Amino acid sequence: GQNIDQPTEMTATEGAIVQINCTYQTSGFNGLFWYQQHAGEAPTFLSYNVLDGLEEKGRFSSFLSRSKGYSYLLLKELQMKDSASYLCAVSFPRLTGGGNKLTFGTGTQLKVEL
Amino acid sequence: DAGVIQSPRHEVTEMGQEVTLRCKPISGHDYLFWYRQTMMRGLELLIYFNNNVPIDDSGMPEDRFSAKMPNASFSTLKIQPSEPRDSAVYFCASRMEGLRETQYFGPGTRLLVL
Repeated sequence: GQNIDQPTEMTATEGAIVQINCTYQTSGFNGLFWYQQHAGEAPTFLSYNVLDGLEEKGRFSSFLSRSKGYSYLLLKELQMKDSASYLCAVSFPRLTGGGNKLTFGTGTQLKVEL
Repeated sequence: DAGVIQSPRHEVTEMGQEVTLRCKPISGHDYLFWYRQTMMRGLELLIYFNNNVPIDDSGMPEDRFSAKMPNASFSTLKIQPSEPRDSAVYFCASRMEGLRETQYFGPGTRLLVL
């Protein structure tokens, strides 16, 4: 399967900025998603990158470098409610039968402290 | 607009019993996905359907697991017989055909097999 690497956990202070990195194998890449998952809840969509560069959406931004197999999620003006797991997911072509397959990383648990 | 609906939300059963999980995707979505999430392995794709047809079941752990989608608005994931190692949160997700491939997750079924 495809390897997706992201840090297991991070801690940051309320009001600060935090960057969560994700690396993946570059071969056959289609696009990259970031999802947020609060404890005991379902993952919810945050962002989608298919082209190189930065996509900004309010306090959250996501960056992609296709050639380097690298993405990051940037969270600004951190709030306590941002404490959650952040999942990087990469869309790759299926090995057989056509179509794409979304593979999730194991997630980065972010803790926002006062 | 209702999101993905799953039932039951919680299930506690004894080893050897049959378990059936249910999912209603978002109306108009062409794809339906079943995932399993555990602390050790993260979010794993079990199987997905396109227009009610199973496309990729390579993630189904063994023959004890089966999934069906008899129509566009209903799918089941069955485990028979269940084992303690099947304890996990099972998510159903759906999406529309399109470039963004964004998946929308249901609330999940928390399964505990004793």
